[in-house]
Amino acid sequence: GAVVSQHPSWVICKSGTSVKIECRSLDFQATTMFWYRQFPKQSLMLMATSNEGSKATYEQGVEKDKFLINHASLTLSTLTVTSAHPEDSSFYICSARTRVGTGVLANQPQHFGDGTRLSIL
Amino acid sequence: GQQVMQIPQYQHVQEGEDFTTYCNSSTTLSNIQWYKQRPGGHPVFLIQLVKSGEVKKQKRLTFQFGEAKKNSSLHITATQTTDVGTYFCAGNSGYALNFGKGTSLLVTP
Repeated sequence: GAVVSQHPSWVICKSGTSVKIECRSLDFQATTMFWYRQFPKQSLMLMATSNEGSKATYEQGVEKDKFLINHASLTLSTLTVTSAHPEDSSFYICSARTRVGTGVLANQPQHFGDGTRLSIL
Repeated sequence: GQQVMQIPQYQHVQEGEDFTTYCNSSTTLSNIQWYKQRPGGHPVFLIQLVKSGEVKKQKRLTFQFGEAKKNSSLHITATQTTDVGTYFCAGNSGYALNFGKGTSLLVTP
Protein backbone atom coordinates (compact mmCIF):
# COMPACT_ATOMS: atom_id res chain seq x y z
CA GLY A 1 0.00 0.00 0.00
CA ALA A 2 0.86 3.74 -0.01
CA VAL A 3 2.13 3.90 -3.58
CA VAL A 4 2.96 7.25 -5.12
CA SER A 5 3.33 7.52 -8.86
CA GLN A 6 5.25 10.38 -10.45
CA HIS A 7 5.25 11.15 -14.14
CA PRO A 8 7.25 11.67 -16.25
CA SER A 9 10.46 10.02 -15.10
CA TRP A 10 12.66 11.95 -17.50
CA VAL A 11 12.21 15.22 -19.33
CA ILE A 12 14.63 16.81 -21.74
CA CYS A 13 13.47 20.04 -23.31
CA LYS A 14 14.59 23.36 -24.67
CA SER A 15 15.06 26.48 -22.61
CA GLY A 16 11.86 28.49 -22.34
CA THR A 17 9.57 25.47 -22.31
CA SER A 18 7.11 24.86 -19.49
CA VAL A 19 7.13 21.39 -17.99
CA LYS A 20 4.38 19.75 -15.96
CA ILE A 21 5.11 16.96 -13.49
CA GLU A 22 2.31 14.87 -12.00
CA CYS A 23 2.24 13.20 -8.63
CA ARG A 24 -0.50 10.69 -7.87
CA SER A 25 -1.31 8.68 -4.80
CA LEU A 26 -2.56 5.40 -6.22
CA ASP A 27 -4.11 3.58 -3.30
CA PHE A 28 -4.75 6.26 -0.71
CA GLN A 29 -5.99 9.80 -0.39
CA ALA A 30 -3.30 12.37 0.25
CA THR A 31 -4.49 15.57 1.86
CA THR A 32 -0.94 16.86 1.74
CA MET A 33 1.72 16.41 -0.88
CA PHE A 34 5.23 17.79 -0.85
CA TRP A 35 7.53 18.80 -3.65
CA TYR A 36 11.27 18.46 -3.23
CA ARG A 37 14.26 19.26 -5.35
CA GLN A 38 17.46 17.26 -5.12
CA PHE A 39 20.81 18.13 -6.67
CA PRO A 40 23.34 15.36 -7.32
CA LYS A 41 24.63 13.87 -4.09
CA GLN A 42 22.71 16.46 -2.10
CA SER A 43 19.85 16.26 0.33
CA LEU A 44 16.20 16.87 -0.44
CA MET A 45 15.24 20.51 -0.41
CA LEU A 46 11.58 21.15 0.31
CA MET A 47 10.14 23.51 -2.28
CA ALA A 48 6.50 23.65 -1.32
CA THR A 49 3.69 21.96 0.52
CA SER A 50 0.58 21.26 -1.45
CA ASN A 51 -2.77 20.96 0.30
CA GLU A 52 -5.82 19.72 -1.53
CA GLY A 53 -8.19 22.51 -2.40
CA SER A 54 -6.01 25.35 -1.23
CA LYS A 55 -2.97 27.31 -2.30
CA ALA A 56 0.43 25.75 -1.89
CA THR A 57 2.80 26.95 0.80
CA TYR A 58 6.18 27.77 -0.67
CA GLU A 59 9.47 27.66 1.16
CA GLN A 60 11.62 30.76 1.39
CA GLY A 61 13.52 31.42 -1.80
CA VAL A 62 11.23 29.37 -4.05
CA GLU A 63 9.50 31.44 -6.72
CA LYS A 64 5.81 30.64 -6.72
CA ASP A 65 5.35 32.11 -10.20
CA LYS A 66 8.15 29.91 -11.47
CA PHE A 67 7.00 26.69 -9.84
CA LEU A 68 3.23 26.46 -10.11
CA ILE A 69 1.58 23.87 -7.90
CA ASN A 70 -1.95 22.63 -8.21
CA HIS A 71 -3.55 20.07 -5.88
CA ALA A 72 -6.93 19.66 -7.47
CA SER A 73 -7.91 16.36 -5.89
CA LEU A 74 -6.99 14.09 -3.01
CA THR A 75 -4.94 11.92 -5.34
CA LEU A 76 -3.23 14.36 -7.68
CA SER A 77 -0.81 17.25 -7.36
CA THR A 78 1.03 18.85 -10.25
CA LEU A 79 4.18 20.94 -10.41
CA THR A 80 4.68 23.12 -13.48
CA VAL A 81 8.10 24.59 -14.08
CA THR A 82 7.33 27.63 -16.18
CA SER A 83 9.73 28.97 -18.79
CA ALA A 84 12.38 26.51 -17.68
CA HIS A 85 16.05 27.41 -17.96
CA PRO A 86 19.20 25.28 -17.61
CA GLU A 87 19.55 26.23 -13.94
CA ASP A 88 16.18 24.56 -13.32
CA SER A 89 17.68 21.22 -14.31
CA SER A 90 17.41 18.94 -11.31
CA PHE A 91 15.75 15.90 -9.81
CA TYR A 92 12.26 16.75 -8.60
CA ILE A 93 10.55 14.38 -6.16
CA CYS A 94 7.07 14.48 -4.75
CA SER A 95 5.83 12.80 -1.63
CA ALA A 96 2.43 12.24 -0.13
CA ARG A 97 1.27 11.87 3.40
CA THR A 98 -1.84 10.28 4.76
CA ARG A 99 -3.22 9.56 8.16
CA VAL A 100 -2.63 6.11 9.59
CA GLY A 101 -4.86 5.28 12.50
CA THR A 102 -5.54 8.10 14.93
CA GLY A 103 -2.02 9.39 15.12
CA VAL A 104 -1.07 13.02 14.69
CA LEU A 105 -1.04 13.82 10.98
CA ALA A 106 2.26 15.62 11.16
CA ASN A 107 3.88 12.44 12.48
CA GLN A 108 2.89 10.31 9.56
CA PRO A 109 5.60 9.04 7.21
CA GLN A 110 5.90 10.36 3.70
CA HIS A 111 5.75 8.13 0.68
CA PHE A 112 7.86 9.25 -2.24
CA GLY A 113 7.36 9.04 -5.96
CA ASP A 114 10.18 7.82 -8.19
CA GLY A 115 11.18 11.36 -9.08
CA THR A 116 11.52 13.28 -12.33
CA ARG A 117 14.88 14.08 -13.85
CA LEU A 118 14.54 17.38 -15.64
CA SER A 119 17.20 18.51 -18.09
CA ILE A 120 16.87 21.88 -19.78
CA LEU A 121 19.08 22.43 -22.80
CA GLY B 1 14.39 27.71 11.64
CA GLN B 2 14.96 24.12 12.46
CA GLN B 3 18.16 22.64 11.11
CA VAL B 4 19.09 19.01 11.00
CA MET B 5 22.77 18.13 10.79
CA GLN B 6 23.90 14.67 9.78
CA ILE B 7 27.36 13.14 9.90
CA PRO B 8 29.39 11.70 8.38
CA GLN B 9 28.69 12.76 4.83
CA TYR B 10 30.33 9.63 3.41
CA GLN B 11 31.35 6.29 4.84
CA HIS B 12 33.20 3.50 3.08
CA VAL B 13 33.32 0.15 4.87
CA GLN B 14 34.29 -3.40 4.15
CA GLU B 15 31.46 -5.87 4.10
CA GLY B 16 30.92 -7.18 7.61
CA GLU B 17 31.99 -3.99 9.35
CA ASP B 18 29.56 -1.90 11.34
CA PHE B 19 28.29 1.52 10.31
CA THR B 20 26.74 4.42 12.21
CA THR B 21 25.27 7.72 11.08
CA TYR B 22 24.36 10.50 13.47
CA CYS B 23 21.71 13.16 13.28
CA ASN B 24 21.49 16.33 15.36
CA SER B 25 18.75 18.94 15.46
CA SER B 26 19.01 22.54 16.58
CA THR B 27 15.58 22.25 18.19
CA THR B 28 13.61 19.60 20.02
CA LEU B 29 11.81 17.30 17.61
CA SER B 30 8.33 15.87 17.87
CA ASN B 31 9.61 12.84 16.03
CA ILE B 32 12.36 11.77 13.69
CA GLN B 33 12.13 9.63 10.60
CA TRP B 34 14.78 7.73 8.70
CA TYR B 35 14.83 7.10 4.99
CA LYS B 36 17.08 5.16 2.64
CA GLN B 37 17.75 6.19 -0.94
CA ARG B 38 19.46 3.74 -3.24
CA PRO B 39 21.58 5.18 -6.07
CA GLY B 40 19.23 6.42 -8.79
CA GLY B 41 16.18 5.75 -6.63
CA HIS B 42 13.83 7.65 -4.39
CA PRO B 43 13.80 7.83 -0.59
CA VAL B 44 12.09 4.95 1.11
CA PHE B 45 10.71 5.27 4.61
CA LEU B 46 12.49 3.05 7.14
CA ILE B 47 11.21 3.97 10.56
CA GLN B 48 9.89 6.67 12.83
CA LEU B 49 10.93 7.39 16.41
CA VAL B 50 8.64 9.38 18.65
CA LYS B 51 9.47 8.77 22.31
CA SER B 52 12.40 10.17 24.24
CA GLY B 53 15.17 7.55 24.48
CA GLU B 54 13.36 5.22 22.11
CA VAL B 55 15.31 2.36 20.51
CA LYS B 56 13.95 0.34 17.63
CA LYS B 57 15.48 -2.51 15.70
CA GLN B 58 14.93 -3.81 12.21
CA LYS B 59 17.09 -6.90 11.74
CA ARG B 60 20.65 -5.50 11.57
CA LEU B 61 19.54 -1.87 11.86
CA THR B 62 19.24 -0.17 15.25
CA PHE B 63 17.66 3.26 15.54
CA GLN B 64 17.95 5.47 18.61
CA PHE B 65 16.26 8.71 19.62
CA GLY B 66 18.04 10.79 22.22
CA GLU B 67 16.65 11.57 25.63
CA ALA B 68 16.34 15.25 24.75
CA LYS B 69 14.73 14.39 21.40
CA LYS B 70 17.35 16.44 19.57
CA ASN B 71 19.56 13.69 18.22
CA SER B 72 19.26 10.29 16.67
CA SER B 73 21.46 7.56 15.28
CA LEU B 74 21.23 4.65 12.90
CA HIS B 75 23.58 1.74 13.43
CA ILE B 76 24.01 -1.13 10.99
CA THR B 77 25.67 -4.27 12.28
CA ALA B 78 27.74 -6.38 9.90
CA THR B 79 27.06 -4.41 6.74
CA GLN B 80 26.19 -6.13 3.50
CA THR B 81 26.49 -4.86 -0.08
CA THR B 82 22.72 -4.46 -0.14
CA ASP B 83 23.07 -1.74 2.50
CA VAL B 84 24.64 0.60 -0.07
CA GLY B 85 22.78 3.89 -0.40
CA THR B 86 22.25 7.22 1.27
CA TYR B 87 20.58 7.30 4.65
CA PHE B 88 18.65 10.43 5.55
CA CYS B 89 17.27 11.45 8.87
CA ALA B 90 14.36 13.87 8.83
CA GLY B 91 13.15 15.90 11.75
CA ASN B 92 9.51 16.80 11.96
CA SER B 93 8.74 20.50 12.34
CA GLY B 94 5.05 19.94 12.79
CA TYR B 95 3.88 19.89 9.21
CA ALA B 96 6.91 19.15 7.06
CA LEU B 97 10.12 17.22 7.30
CA ASN B 98 13.56 18.82 7.47
CA PHE B 99 16.00 16.41 5.94
CA GLY B 100 19.60 16.06 6.96
CA LYS B 101 22.18 16.07 4.18
CA GLY B 102 22.38 12.31 4.35
CA THR B 103 25.19 9.82 4.82
CA SER B 104 26.26 7.92 1.73
CA LEU B 105 27.32 4.40 2.58
CA LEU B 106 29.54 2.39 0.29
CA VAL B 107 30.16 -1.26 1.13
CA THR B 108 32.87 -3.16 -0.66
CA PRO B 109 32.90 -6.97 -0.62
